[in-house]
Amino acid sequence: ETGVTQTPRHLVMGMTNKKSLKCEQHLGHNAMYWYKQSAKKPLELMFVYNFKEQTENNSVPSRFSPECPNSSHLFLHLHTLQPEDSALYLCASSPKAEGYGYTFGSGTRLTVV
Amino acid sequence: QKEVEQDPGPLSVPEGAIVSLNCTYSNSAFQYFMWYRQYSRKGPELLMYTYSSGNKEDGRFTAQVDKSSKYISLFIRDSQPSDSATYLCAPSEGSSASKIIFGSGTRLSIRP
Repeated sequence: ETGVTQTPRHLVMGMTNKKSLKCEQHLGHNAMYWYKQSAKKPLELMFVYNFKEQTENNSVPSRFSPECPNSSHLFLHLHTLQPEDSALYLCASSPKAEGYGYTFGSGTRLTVV
Repeated sequence: QKEVEQDPGPLSVPEGAIVSLNCTYSNSAFQYFMWYRQYSRKGPELLMYTYSSGNKEDGRFTAQVDKSSKYISLFIRDSQPSDSATYLCAPSEGSSASKIIFGSGTRLSIRP
């Protein structure tokens, strides 16, 4: 497992459910990110947190609600999702928000039914 | 026109072959160029990072950037079955995450 751990690995939820994705990094990084990866589409940046403060929201619908209680943990709360939200949700971290070399987790495969 | 274009593949080559993976882009402001490798059921991992035009070599991998033609290449020498993965090019205007534009990826398969 990499230094970024995501749970659960797979999630199936109905459109009326509420669920949360969890990400934890053990690398001592200060920046954390949520990305969405849909089949045959590029990675889409969703949110950026730097020192647990949200610094970017890439016009993400409000049915996705991020939470970063500290620099090591990141959550993505989901509610009333649509089938088109089915995708691989990837968490990443980096030493600082400005820079390269993101470390990605293995992702949560989300299916909305 | 997409900002970053990448042939989705799949590209299948025999073990030991030289592999060439390519991307084209439209934004002349891109200055940083990255390649990520993504194995099945895993997140992407940074493979190569270059700044501006030129070549960069790391073991069996060579990244090449031609800014005049807006063309990015990744060459893999002596390809191995363990190189089978999806390769994502990711050019960027700057170091902020929002400035990084990922390609859709090319799926590569190395036949033993």
